[in-house]
Amino acid sequence: DTEVTQTPKHLVMGMTNKKSLKCEQHMGHRAMYWYKQKAKKPPELMFVYSYEKLSINESVPSRFSPECPNSSLLNLHLHALQPEDSALYLCASSQSGQGFLDTQYFGPGTRLTVL
Amino acid sequence: EDQVTQSPEALRLQEGESSSLNCSYTVSGLRGLFWYRQDPGKGPEFLFTLYSAGEEKEKERLKATLTKKESFLHITAPKPEDSATYLCAVQMNTGNQFYFGTGTSLTVIP
Repeated sequence: DTEVTQTPKHLVMGMTNKKSLKCEQHMGHRAMYWYKQKAKKPPELMFVYSYEKLSINESVPSRFSPECPNSSLLNLHLHALQPEDSALYLCASSQSGQGFLDTQYFGPGTRLTVL
Repeated sequence: EDQVTQSPEALRLQEGESSSLNCSYTVSGLRGLFWYRQDPGKGPEFLFTLYSAGEEKEKERLKATLTKKESFLHITAPKPEDSATYLCAVQMNTGNQFYFGTGTSLTVIP
């Protein structure tokens, strides 16, 4: 089973709202990722967690705050977003994330609209 | 500079008309190259992992090959349900990040 689940599927929020995106995997993977994807563009890496520690932050604005409560869960907390943050947010996981050939498996994404 | 380039940007095929998509890369120290299929509004679906030049992998109508500078995704006798964007990504020896190409949008016409 190579399933990564994401909730919610769609989210509409105002610029003053606080919301969270959730990602879950039960494959025993120890690396988890957040990507942002705009229309007709490839996914852009935002954050990488490896063994529940933040290992990569691709200079993402502080209005995006990741959290990894345990090895199966990854959250992305959103606050004071801008309309240009509207995009498809993808979560992915991989077995190790450390020095190995490591296939990433993606979830279905959360379509975020910021009004 | 490390780069991943896909061509063509868009491809329209008649049903049954075979073709190839290209992913060329200029990275130092390739650990692996990955192919994904993405339908509109959905997450990328894993297709293949390739990690050594000369390697080939097949799945139904798709066959992926790898050389030292590029990878090809061959589509044999495509069907309309093969219409999607095909993304390649490379992983380098220096870390676990993926570097994605810009994708090829494939449309197969009945």
